[in-house]
Amino acid sequence: SQQGEEDPQALSIQEGENATMNCSYKTSINNLQWYRQNSGRGLVHLILIRSNEREKHSGRLRVTLDTSKKSSSLLITASRAADTASYFCATDNSGGSNYKLTFGKGTLLTVNP
Amino acid sequence: DAGVIQSPRHEVTEMGQEVTLRCKPISGHNSLFWYRQTMMRGLELLIYFNNNVPIDDSGMPEDRFSAKMPNASFSTLKIQPSEPRDSAVYFCASSLGRGYSNQPQHFGDGTRLSIL
Repeated sequence: SQQGEEDPQALSIQEGENATMNCSYKTSINNLQWYRQNSGRGLVHLILIRSNEREKHSGRLRVTLDTSKKSSSLLITASRAADTASYFCATDNSGGSNYKLTFGKGTLLTVNP
Repeated sequence: DAGVIQSPRHEVTEMGQEVTLRCKPISGHNSLFWYRQTMMRGLELLIYFNNNVPIDDSGMPEDRFSAKMPNASFSTLKIQPSEPRDSAVYFCASSLGRGYSNQPQHFGDGTRLSIL
């Protein structure tokens, strides 16, 4: 079944640096979403990008989508200790049900103060 | 605004016991999802309701699992009898409208279930 795969599995950086996380998926999509999960908490929606969009910004977040390579990246600029969390991409399947999101296993980001 | 509320936050019980997890979605959201999260398998969709009706339960692992949504503000996920391999974090999420993938999902903080 289709699944987003995040890369790297873990990333450790210093406060102020940029963090880039990647997501690859297997089949055609309509939408791709990124979520954040703090330890012991639920997932929080960050940003949604549609298949006809190539780039989207929200505050310090920048998401790109390359449908030809079936990949997306999430860039967090000027990272803060509070950005420490796991980050997940979630994809739908344009050939399947229009409500089902498939989540990857996430990238664990640690921002050191 | 109140988010998705799940209870209990933690549950520890012995194998064979019945477990009931509860969820209150965000008011006005018509779609509700139950997920299970484990280290091995990540986040898996168990069941999806729209307007209180189960639309897709293909992710429910076995007949031991059942879910209900008696009204727009309450849903339960029941495991009977429970087994150690059911140990996981169970999340409830809600979203607007039909719950399509062009809408964000709003997650509760989950129930951490441990079956001894």
